[in-house]
Amino acid sequence: ETGVTQSPTHLIKTRGQQVTLRCSSQSGHNTVSWYQQALGQGPQFIFQYYREEENGRGNFPPRFSGLQFPNYSSELNVNALELDDSALYLCASSTGVTGTIYFGEGSWLTVV
Amino acid sequence: GQQVMQIPQYQHVQEGEDFTTYCNSSTTLSNIQWYKQRPGGHPVFLIQLVKSGEVKKQKRLTFQFGEAKKNSSLHITATQTTDVGTYFCAGRQGAQKLVFGQGTRLTINP
Repeated sequence: ETGVTQSPTHLIKTRGQQVTLRCSSQSGHNTVSWYQQALGQGPQFIFQYYREEENGRGNFPPRFSGLQFPNYSSELNVNALELDDSALYLCASSTGVTGTIYFGEGSWLTVV
Repeated sequence: GQQVMQIPQYQHVQEGEDFTTYCNSSTTLSNIQWYKQRPGGHPVFLIQLVKSGEVKKQKRLTFQFGEAKKNSSLHITATQTTDVGTYFCAGRQGAQKLVFGQGTRLTINP
């Protein structure tokens, strides 16, 4: 139990739709990062938020966006969903930008 | 950009045999972390290595960080069925993002 909670756990969307995934970080953690994990692959870094500001971004298009709130919870938004966006989306929290990251259980997104 | 390669991609062993997975980075790392992911689950943090040449043990698991801080290994002695899963290394260069290897999937014949 890492104390990182994500919702929803599973969802199905249609191509072209938009989705919002939510994450509550572990108590005391001020940094949240999001990862995309396709089947059979390692997690790929999407972006990181530190004290409500984006603090690093991976090779993902602008239709992937996020927010971090004053209580350090976070949202990942994906617009104009594509079939290849089907994956497990993992939220991870840490103390500071270089600390050990602890993952939530993830949100399984299927785009049809 | 920074790349982290992990081998082998798959490993099947008999219960009781040893298992090793290797991780190599294209750049010098400030630290490396190891995670285990059970089928259908999420990555669970195992350990972080920071110092050059560092060796850490957790029961039957031994983790090493290379002298040049560009490679690492995880060795499991006498595997048990509970060790089944995919093991990921993840390297960080300075304050940069954490880059994951593609993982080694371990299956065990009881």
